[in-house]
Amino acid sequence: GAVVSQHPSWVICKSGTSVKIECRSLDFQATTMFWYRQFPKQSLMLMATSNEGSKATYEQGVEKDKFLINHASLTLSTLTVTSAHPEDSSFYICSARVQGLAGGGGTDTQYFGPGTRLTVL
Amino acid sequence: GQQLNQSPQSMFIQEGEDVSMNCTSSSIFNTWLWYKQDPGEGPVLLIALYKAGELTSNGRLTAQFGITRKDSFLNISASIPSDVGIYFCAGRNTGTASKLTFGTGTRLQVTL
Repeated sequence: GAVVSQHPSWVICKSGTSVKIECRSLDFQATTMFWYRQFPKQSLMLMATSNEGSKATYEQGVEKDKFLINHASLTLSTLTVTSAHPEDSSFYICSARVQGLAGGGGTDTQYFGPGTRLTVL
Repeated sequence: GQQLNQSPQSMFIQEGEDVSMNCTSSSIFNTWLWYKQDPGEGPVLLIALYKAGELTSNGRLTAQFGITRKDSFLNISASIPSDVGIYFCAGRNTGTASKLTFGTGTRLQVTL
């Protein structure tokens, strides 16, 4: 259980084009999903929190107009990189939150997708 | 954003050896998590720690939540080749919408 998929697994695009990445929770519903970016040999950096039915919350320094997030259903969140440039080339990883039995989020678990490798030429 | 510092940054060990790595933070976390990431994949949760001082095992893995809440360590006993990968710690506080702050990572290489 608790499987998260991402599509596509890799994408190459030309500079200036937009790319959409999908994140799906396959066997559970997730009101909250997260999007991370990981540059080579670096750690995961949280970009934004995606909430079903409401606007995403972006971390400081992340351009919300460039990285469009839509969480239209309890099993799907999408990240669109608009007008992509070579510096946007990275590994994009999503995660889906499973709420723990205890309140307050202390025992919540995040399950991660396999990632999407974006290369912008 | 804030990052947790992990040490060592990388390590080469022989199969069968025990491994120890740690993670430190300048601020307190209420939950500590340890993940493993294989190349080209997303992180996979290994162990979750919810109480200061807690010691938890998962097979050959043992992790502890530091009493100060500012650190955690992970031990791997009798390492095997499939232990190769990058190990990340992550901290979380309640009331932060379950957001995780990841460590800098420890790259583990196991030689035969």
